[in-house]
Amino acid sequence: DAKTTQPNSMESNEEEPVHLPCNHSTISGTDYIHWYRQLPSQGPEYVIHGLTSNVNNRMASLAIAEDRKSSTLILHRATLRDAAVYYCILRDRPNSGGSNYKLTFGKGTLLTVNP
Amino acid sequence: GAGVSQTPSNKVTEKGKYVELRCDPISGHTALYWYRQSLGQGPEFLIYFQGTGAADDSGLPNDRFFAVRPEGSVSTLKIQRTERGDSAVYLCASSLIGGGWQRQETQYFGPGTRLLVL
Repeated sequence: DAKTTQPNSMESNEEEPVHLPCNHSTISGTDYIHWYRQLPSQGPEYVIHGLTSNVNNRMASLAIAEDRKSSTLILHRATLRDAAVYYCILRDRPNSGGSNYKLTFGKGTLLTVNP
Repeated sequence: GAGVSQTPSNKVTEKGKYVELRCDPISGHTALYWYRQSLGQGPEFLIYFQGTGAADDSGLPNDRFFAVRPEGSVSTLKIQRTERGDSAVYLCASSLIGGGWQRQETQYFGPGTRLLVL
């Protein structure tokens, strides 16, 4: 899987939007961009994923740059429960010959939310 | 419904001992994964099961580590002759079908087993 680069940590205030960046300059055309997060003392949980277009779900939005070399996870109104480590992960398209079942985690971004 | 469960939640053992870590995946999930997470790091892939068989065990660090899934549901990760460097959180995840299909499957993780080797 191609490598991603994220800031080590970010800080936000409660009820404010948070933009978590991820750089993936070596992304291939078949790589999907996934985000997982890990709350303290828990296993990672899925947040969102996309390929080219921006995506929205109940948890967050994913904005993907036109050249796909970067993306941003957007939490529209941060809550204290959003404090976690956020991982940006690239996954190859199924049947492309890659091992897309493996999630390759970096160190992620530790998000602190202040009350 | 019930998520992925792992037992024990914590395990303290002495160097050289044998340990078994258990994972109960979400009912009906055919794919099961083990990851290991060291302090301050992201999880690292260990092994992937498709049904009863290990489809990819390339992440197992050495032959002291072994995992089974005899009936295609519960899985056990076994570590022989434990070393202090084996101390980590061992995470299990499951997904409905697994890789090789035309979807980007979500993996559902358990809370992990914290292993401490003294």
